[in-house]
Formats: sequence, C-alpha cells, structure tokens
Amino acid sequence: GQQLNQSPQSMFIQEGEDVSMNCTSSSIFNTWLWYKQDPGEGPVLLIALYKAGELTSNGRLTAQFGITRKDSFLNISASIPSDVGIYFCAGQSPQSGSEKLVFGKGTKLTVNP
Amino acid sequence: EAQVTQNPRYLITVTGKKLTVTCSQNMNHEYMSWYRQDPGLGLRQIYYSMNVEVTDKGDVPEGYKVSRKEKRNFPLILESPSPNQTSLYFCASSFLTGSYGYTFGSGTRLTVV
Repeated sequence: GQQLNQSPQSMFIQEGEDVSMNCTSSSIFNTWLWYKQDPGEGPVLLIALYKAGELTSNGRLTAQFGITRKDSFLNISASIPSDVGIYFCAGQSPQSGSEKLVFGKGTKLTVNP
Repeated sequence: EAQVTQNPRYLITVTGKKLTVTCSQNMNHEYMSWYRQDPGLGLRQIYYSMNVEVTDKGDVPEGYKVSRKEKRNFPLILESPSPNQTSLYFCASSFLTGSYGYTFGSGTRLTVV
C-alpha cells in the first residue's frame, strides 16, 4: 500500500530552538495533515493543507504542501517544553475515498528546558 | 463538546478471554476507524466503517472484529486475545466527504498476559 516516509524518527532539542520535520511519498496526495500526540493521549489535528504550494501557520507552527504534491514539512519555531510529543503527518490520496488517510510513523520530539 | 469516547482507558486481560473496547462519537460522523499503535510502527488501521452496517478490513485485521449497528458506536471485539495484541488502540471518526481529518479518542492501552 501507499507509504509516507517521515523524518527524522526522533529529535532532542533545547528549549528555544527551531524544529523542522518532513514527510515524503512516491505518490501524490490531495491533502496533507499534521497531528500531534501528547503522551498518553490521542493525536490532535494541528494543521491541514489542501493545495500544492500552500503555506499555513498555526501560532509557532508552519506547514507547507509541497509543489510536487508528494511531500510536506512542519516547522516549529522557538520550541517550548509543552511541544514534547509525537508528530504525525497524514495524507489523503486521489486513489482513495476522501476519508482514507495514510499516516507517517511519527517524529518523537523531546525538548530540554 | 465534540468528541470520540473510548472505554476502557486501560485493560489487562488474559489470553483467550473475549473483550470489547467501546467507541462512541457525538459528531454524526459517517466514517469510523480503529488503529493500533506500536513502537516504531506508527498507526496501523485495523478496521473501518463508512456507515451503519458497512465495515471493511484495514491493514491489520487478523484477530479482531467490529460492528456498526448504530451511527455513533463502533466497538472493537477481540474474540480470543493473544499477547501480540498488546498495544495502544485508538478509535477515530470523520465526515465521509471533505478533507477535515480525523478526530481521535484518547486511546485504550491493552495488555494481554
């Protein structure tokens, strides 16, 4: 089946640093979504991207839908301890119904105060 | 409050003892799905349902059953649990059309001994 390659797998950073993570695929996607999972909780939607080239911000978070429709990245600026968690990308492909999402394996972020 | 409710949050059981994990959503979503999350493997889809009485296998359906008798409920049934089903389980729901992403429950941590 379709796969999303998410990198890096994990990151250890100091508070205040900027963070960047990305997802790539060999297939094109119509929609890219970024989720955050806090320890012990379910993933929560952070940002949704619907058009190639789209750049969207949500506070300190910025995400972009790649021009080729095969990739997306998420940046976090000036990280704080509560940014700790697992970040997942998800894509919706033209081949599937609008409800079917493919998930990356996640980027585990640790922020040292 | 719009939410997906899973119960129980934690469950320890013995091999072979049938169990059910309940999932309920109050957003009138047509689509519901179950995932399991294991270290290094990300979120893997077990079963999904496009509407009442319409269910289909995901990527890892072996050992699981589901039913969708009502729109709001989507229980996950393990007829004869085995230790390899020890995992963190998430229920998710969404509208069938539009790319609004999933709403996830808070998770059920299952241990089979």
